[in-house]
Amino acid sequence: DTGVSQDPRHKITKRGQNVTFRCDPISEHNRLYWYRQTLGQGPEFLTYFQNEAQLEKSRLLSDRFSAERPKGSFSTLEIQRTEQGDSAMYLCASSASGKGNEQFFGPGTRLTVL
Amino acid sequence: DQQVKQNSPSLSVQEGRISILNCDYTNSMFDYFLWYKKYPAEGPTFLISISSIKDKNEDGRFTVFLNKSAKHLSLHIVPSQPGDSAVYFCAVLSNTGNQFYFGTGTSLTVIP
Repeated sequence: DTGVSQDPRHKITKRGQNVTFRCDPISEHNRLYWYRQTLGQGPEFLTYFQNEAQLEKSRLLSDRFSAERPKGSFSTLEIQRTEQGDSAMYLCASSASGKGNEQFFGPGTRLTVL
Repeated sequence: DQQVKQNSPSLSVQEGRISILNCDYTNSMFDYFLWYKKYPAEGPTFLISISSIKDKNEDGRFTVFLNKSAKHLSLHIVPSQPGDSAVYFCAVLSNTGNQFYFGTGTSLTVIP
């Protein structure tokens, strides 16, 4: 399967703990996006990478959140000192430049903060 | 400050009939629009898109209409099939071209 993969699919953690999620985009895609989705809402943009460069960050991305894409391939999203309000589905998507902006989404990581 | 609004959280349609899903946006500078479909426990899947130079784009049973003056787009599915039952999100590309704004989704149920 050459789609976007995310790991883990589910994460339950206690408030105050740190968590890290991984996204593996489609191999030839140079653009990678992170979104957060809560119940009854659409995906909310968090951040965008073109290759290894983080080009845009939402104001939703507080200083407890950090994302990296060190070699322009996979990406990680870390949340430090998790809060109950961080409970959500975290979605990763990738796309290729010049391909009509179509994004391919992964299945998401569902985070539950107790 | 919701940039994209889908005012109908749910819609039920009989199989074979037309489904019409609506979406409104706030910024007249947006120029690229997309529809995604989402099944439970899966990420959204791209369905169809339209740029602002067009007012209609068709792909099989799916047609997207864009009314720029009204800042409104709609997705028509005809004929609707039970497998179309899913949550549909409209999305717009930001002016920077680097992020997408999504609506809150419309849950479509196609009744056999």
